[in-house]
Amino acid sequence: ETGVTQTPRHLVMGMTNKKSLKCEQHLGHNAMYWYKQSAKKPLELMFVYSLEERVENNSVPSRFSPECPNSSHLFLHLHTLQPEDSALYLCASSQGSPGQGGNEQFFGPGTRLTVL
Amino acid sequence: GQNIDQPTEMTATEGAIVQINCTYQTSGFNGLFWYQQHAGEAPTFLSYNVLDGLEEKGRFSSFLSRSKGYSYLLLKELQMKDSASYLCAVMDSNYQLIWGAGTKLIIKP
Repeated sequence: ETGVTQTPRHLVMGMTNKKSLKCEQHLGHNAMYWYKQSAKKPLELMFVYSLEERVENNSVPSRFSPECPNSSHLFLHLHTLQPEDSALYLCASSQGSPGQGGNEQFFGPGTRLTVL
Repeated sequence: GQNIDQPTEMTATEGAIVQINCTYQTSGFNGLFWYQQHAGEAPTFLSYNVLDGLEEKGRFSSFLSRSKGYSYLLLKELQMKDSASYLCAVMDSNYQLIWGAGTKLIIKP
């Protein structure tokens, strides 16, 4: 248990569906992250929130929409996804802001997403 | 461009020692992280190096040479539970983590 939970753990959706991924951290951290992990590829940073404000958006397609209502919760809203979006989506949190060196990130178990 | 290289897969024997290498080319350097990820689970933090040298934590040690853009993770007295992927990540000048693709370590009895 890392103190970061994600739901659902598995999700299968069609290309026309709308779904949301949820992340919650119980560590009192100030920064939260969404990553995409595809097989045999490096982790891809998607979004970063620091104190509930988005500070990073790495050219992610608009079919992915993040939401951070407070410092403990992070959502990723999905709509009209493509089969190539199938991957493991990981949420992480860290104590300080992303601009501080040495801040280890604590990861959730991920949501395994399959787009049909 | 920024790049992190690590071997795709390694095999070692229970009780032995294994060294997993990581080389990097990044725009700036603010530290290097090693994470362990068991199949189907979250990555978990192992170590952080920002100065040259060796950091030891029990059976695991991590080494850094900034001038060579090189790090390694050393695992001693290997146990079956050490079978996992090991991820190397470098924090660049923008404090963004650049990740390697991970090294899958297989431990054989």
